[in-house]
Amino acid sequence: DAGITQSPRHKVTETGTPVTLRCHQTENHRYMYWYRQDPGHGLRLIHYSYGVKDTDKGEVSDGYSVSRSKTEDFLLTLESATSSQTSVYFCAISVGGETEAFFGQGTRLTVV
Amino acid sequence: KNQVEQSPQSLIILEGKNCTLQCNYTVSPFSNLRWYKQDTGRGPVSLTIMTFSENTKSNGRYTATLDADTKQSSLHITASQLSDSASYICVVSARSNYQLIWGAGTKLIIKP
Repeated sequence: DAGITQSPRHKVTETGTPVTLRCHQTENHRYMYWYRQDPGHGLRLIHYSYGVKDTDKGEVSDGYSVSRSKTEDFLLTLESATSSQTSVYFCAISVGGETEAFFGQGTRLTVV
Repeated sequence: KNQVEQSPQSLIILEGKNCTLQCNYTVSPFSNLRWYKQDTGRGPVSLTIMTFSENTKSNGRYTATLDADTKQSSLHITASQLSDSASYICVVSARSNYQLIWGAGTKLIIKP
């Protein structure tokens, strides 16, 4: 799996609590992405980064924030988790904006 | 609005049979189209990329076609194997901002 590690792989949390998901890469790729995947939907982009401290919103960014202080790490934070954020979250990396994306194994998050 | 639609939503075929998955898009201006394979519980993996000038491209038993005039692509799988059971996702890149538009995928089940 292309040098991408997501942690944790599974998490159950309560509504209203903060949650941080981590994505770590060893490929030194410039672009990093956070997606969520829900039944019946395509992968939906939450946030992406095109360099250290350079991030931008995707189509479903409300309720999420990100940070990238090092090339290799991209953090996704749910400030106050809601049940609608129950999903599988995927981190991806790519060399360029339209080049092949390599995905991590996903994090299954359940908000109860 | 940029959209990618895939059909069928799901498909069950017998091992050894062929099948064709469809992808229609309204993304403009078009940059490229990729087909990804996603095994259950794992992140998507790229199968092939189609650029504007390419009509057909093969990758083993997988053959992708692209008709840029009608904005349609297909993925043909020959002599299916049990390991082909997965979701197949079509992704189109917009040349204006390299935004990736993901289809919802086709879930393919191969039965022995």
